[in-house]
Amino acid sequence: KQEVTQIPAALSVPEGENLVLNCSFTDSAIYNLQWFRQDPGKGLTSLLLIQSSQREQTSGRLNASLDKSSGRSTLYIAASQPGDSATYLCAVSGNQFYFGTGTSLTVIP
Amino acid sequence: GAVVSQHPSWVICKSGTSVKIECRSLDFQATTMFWYRQFPKQSLMLMATSNEGSKATYEQGVEKDKFLINHASLTLSTLTVTSAHPEDSSFYICSAGSQGINQPQHFGDGTRLSIL
Repeated sequence: KQEVTQIPAALSVPEGENLVLNCSFTDSAIYNLQWFRQDPGKGLTSLLLIQSSQREQTSGRLNASLDKSSGRSTLYIAASQPGDSATYLCAVSGNQFYFGTGTSLTVIP
Repeated sequence: GAVVSQHPSWVICKSGTSVKIECRSLDFQATTMFWYRQFPKQSLMLMATSNEGSKATYEQGVEKDKFLINHASLTLSTLTVTSAHPEDSSFYICSAGSQGINQPQHFGDGTRLSIL
């Protein structure tokens, strides 16, 4: 069964710092990997989708990479802002969607 | 972009009540929708896959008689928590994609269910 792990579980950084969130998965047979943002008590907002044939995707200050063979993905956030504070989830799709454990990010003004 | 609407956003009710949650795809058709459950400070766990016009597929450990799923049209799936008890209190989220599991999934805003 696919297992998705995110490290670290929580992260606190001062505003302006660049940061990296990590996601690892055990089964490389995936269709795609998706990064989401979840604010407290809210649903999920899709940030980036990387198809299994792709290596990375970029959107604004966000860059996500995928190394399918090693079962790893990273989400890079440049010049972090307090508004980036949220929980970030990665999910891989195979025959269903498997979610990671999440990283709770706090950006301190 | 694709929008998934979930209603209601918050429900508080007495133990023994049945609660229905709706998940609608507003601007696309979805033959498949997914229902998740999330406990505080935990990730999302897939409960079931809702298939339009056929029975839902439930994950192991999810009681199908407890969590009734109906996907009567290409834009609407409903989850009914029957005879809800305090342990059913949780955050329920649905998702749908216009092209199935291997395409971007769009999520509803979730429903917070509190059973007294």
